Amino acid sequence: KAGVTQTPRYLIKTRGQQVTLSCSPISGHRSVSWYQQTPGQGLQFLFEYFSETQRNKGNFPGRFSGRQFSNSRSEMNVSTLELGDSALYLCASSLGTSGPYNEQFFGPGTRLTVL
Amino acid sequence: DQQVKQNSPSLSVQEGRISILNCDYTNSMFDYFLWYKKYPAEGPTFLISISSIKDKNEDGRFTVFLNKSAKHLSLHIVPSQPGDSAVYFCAASARNTGNQFYFGTGTSLTVIP
Repeated sequence: KAGVTQTPRYLIKTRGQQVTLSCSPISGHRSVSWYQQTPGQGLQFLFEYFSETQRNKGNFPGRFSGRQFSNSRSEMNVSTLELGDSALYLCASSLGTSGPYNEQFFGPGTRLTVL
Repeated sequence: DQQVKQNSPSLSVQEGRISILNCDYTNSMFDYFLWYKKYPAEGPTFLISISSIKDKNEDGRFTVFLNKSAKHLSLHIVPSQPGDSAVYFCAASARNTGNQFYFGTGTSLTVIP
């Protein structure tokens, strides 16, 4: 079974630009969650999509948005990039059912650098 | 508001000894806890989990202990191996938050040969 894939793996942008990241979940998984990882901050939850609907949302500004397609693939968009948006963006897929045995499986991440 | 906390940013242990990684949480509604392991330039990989109806779960060299009254969980690795050197994240979720997981800030474990 193929794992979670994220594209691109690395990205360099300048302040003010926008960026779109892509995530393909494990086949059969309907939930995709996005996280931002920065040094010392752990994994900060951005949002979760389930069956094309945003089901949960973290405390990030509206510049961060996402969507999910009918095949469960998800995209995350960041507009008007700021230097502080430089981070590793991780995508995780899961079955989406609440409770035990609902582990999240992570992709390798997209390293975004904003200059 | 950090609902899941890992207060030790780093830990060094001799090969063959026990590694104990700690995690505290504040939300009493959390009922499912997980540990993930992360190598540089890779995404976290699932290691072990525990439901709130249990106080211990074991998988090979890895054991997770849950103390609900203290809102504390720990991961024990015995014996520690150099390949265990990685960053370890604990995470928690609650049924009333659906599929949202809350992660700690991670503990970097170094196992010295």
